[in-house]
Amino acid sequence: AQKITQTQPGMFVQEKEAVTLDCTYDTSDPSYGLFWYKQPSSGEMIFLIYQGSYDQQNATEGRYSLNFQKARKSANLVISASQLGDSAMYFCAMREANAGNMLTFGGGTRLMVKP
Amino acid sequence: DTAVSQTPKYLVTQMGNDKSIKCEQNLGHDTMYWYKQDSKKFLKIMFSYNNKELIINETVPNRFSPKSPDKAHLNLHINSLELGDSAVYFCASSLSSGTGLGEQYFGPGTRLTVT
Repeated sequence: AQKITQTQPGMFVQEKEAVTLDCTYDTSDPSYGLFWYKQPSSGEMIFLIYQGSYDQQNATEGRYSLNFQKARKSANLVISASQLGDSAMYFCAMREANAGNMLTFGGGTRLMVKP
Repeated sequence: DTAVSQTPKYLVTQMGNDKSIKCEQNLGHDTMYWYKQDSKKFLKIMFSYNNKELIINETVPNRFSPKSPDKAHLNLHINSLELGDSAVYFCASSLSSGTGLGEQYFGPGTRLTVT
C-alpha cells in the first residue's frame, strides 16, 4: 500500500486565489512527521512546512498552512493568495520515527498558477 | 553560502562505467541521505547514514554504495552503470533530534545520464 498519496497530478489556480493540495498518509507509527516540499522547474527541493503527529495546532508558515486531520490521516497544504512563482511541483512526505528518519514521498502535484 | 552542495551538477557517462557523486553539508547536521528522482518525478530514498548507522533501502542494487569520509560528507559511488540509473540524485541532510523529526535540507541535485 502507498504510504503517501497525492491524488491530484496537476492543478490550476488563478493568481491571488487560494488552493489546497491534497495528501493522505498511512502509518501505524504513533510518532511521525509530515512535510511539504516545493520543486520549481529549476529542480531544487525547497522545504515549506512541517507538522508533527503530536502537534495540537495546524502548522502555518507565511502563505502556507497545513490542514492536519489526524483521524482522517490527511495533511493538505493550503497556499493562500497564489503567486505566479508558486507554479511548481509540490511533494508531500512523511518521516516515521521508527524508519531511520528517511522521508517517504508522494507522487507530487504540479501546480500551475494562471495570471 | 550553500548549505548542501553536490558535484557534479550534470554527469553523462556510458553504460558499464563507475562514477561518483559528491555531497557536502555545512549545517552541522548528523544525518545524510541520498534520494533518486526518476523521469516521472517520483522521489525514493536510497540511503540514510549517520556516524552510527547506515540504513539501506532494500530495493537499491548493491552497485550503489555510500561512502562517508566525515560527518559533513556523504558520497555516492555507482559501479557498472546501467541505462536505468539515469535519474536526478539528491543528497540531503538533517539533525536527528530525539524524535527524529527534523526537516531535511536538499542539495541542488545531480542529473545522471547513462548512454
